[in-house]
Amino acid sequence: EVLLLDSGGDLVQPGGSLRLSCAASGFTFSTYAMSWVRQAPGKGLEWVSAISGSGGSTYYADSVKGRFTISRDNSKNTLHLLMNSLRAEDTAVYYCAKLIYRGYDRRVDSWGQGTLVTVSS
Amino acid sequence: DIQLTQSPSFLSASVGDRVTITCRASQGISSYLAWYQQKPGKAPKLLIYAASTLQSGVPSRFSGSGSGTEFTLTISSLQPEDFATYYCQQLNSYAVTFGGGTKVEIK
Repeated sequence: EVLLLDSGGDLVQPGGSLRLSCAASGFTFSTYAMSWVRQAPGKGLEWVSAISGSGGSTYYADSVKGRFTISRDNSKNTLHLLMNSLRAEDTAVYYCAKLIYRGYDRRVDSWGQGTLVTVSS
Repeated sequence: DIQLTQSPSFLSASVGDRVTITCRASQGISSYLAWYQQKPGKAPKLLIYAASTLQSGVPSRFSGSGSGTEFTLTISSLQPEDFATYYCQQLNSYAVTFGGGTKVEIK
C-alpha cells in the first residue's frame, strides 16, 4: 500500500523559513516524479513544485520560484520542500503527491494527508 | 503557463440528477487531463485520467470526455456521497495546473 506522510508544517513569521518533508513507502520511490500541491484556506488547489525521480529536474510555480526549493533523498524515500522568505499568501495546507507519467497515463495517484503552514506575525 | 477554466464554479443539484462540469484549457493539452473529487478536510481523490479513463474503484456513474482544449466530467446519477468539490488538472508537462473547482451542493 502506498503511504505518503507529510510533516513539518508550523506557524512561522513573515520572512521566515520552513522545511516540509514527505516520507514515502509502499512503492519504489526513486522511479516516480513527486510534487507539492497547496490549498489556502477556503480556496482551490495550487500546484507548487515538482521533481523528477532522479532529482535531476525540478519545476516551480511562478508564485514560489526563487523562494522554494524542492529536493528528494532517494536513499531515505523522502521528499522535501524548503520554503524561504515566507509570505502571508503562502499560508495553506501543503500536500505531497506521487505522479505517474507514462505516455497518456499521467495523474496523481496518491496524496499525503497534508501539513498546515501558517505565515503570520 | 496553461490555464484551466472550469464551469460552473458552483452547482446545486438533487440526488439522481445528471451533472456535467466543463474544463477548458488555454492551449491544446491532448488528453493529458485528470479529474479529482475533494471533500472538506480531505486530500483530493482521483476519478478520471487521460481525459476518459476511470480510475480503479471509482463508480461507473463518473465519466470523462474531450481532448485538445475542451473536456467534461459527467456524473450520470448524482448520489449523496458525490456532494463535493471537483477539480480538473492538466498534466501536459511536470508544471501542472488545476482548474478553479466546481462545488456541487444539494438542492
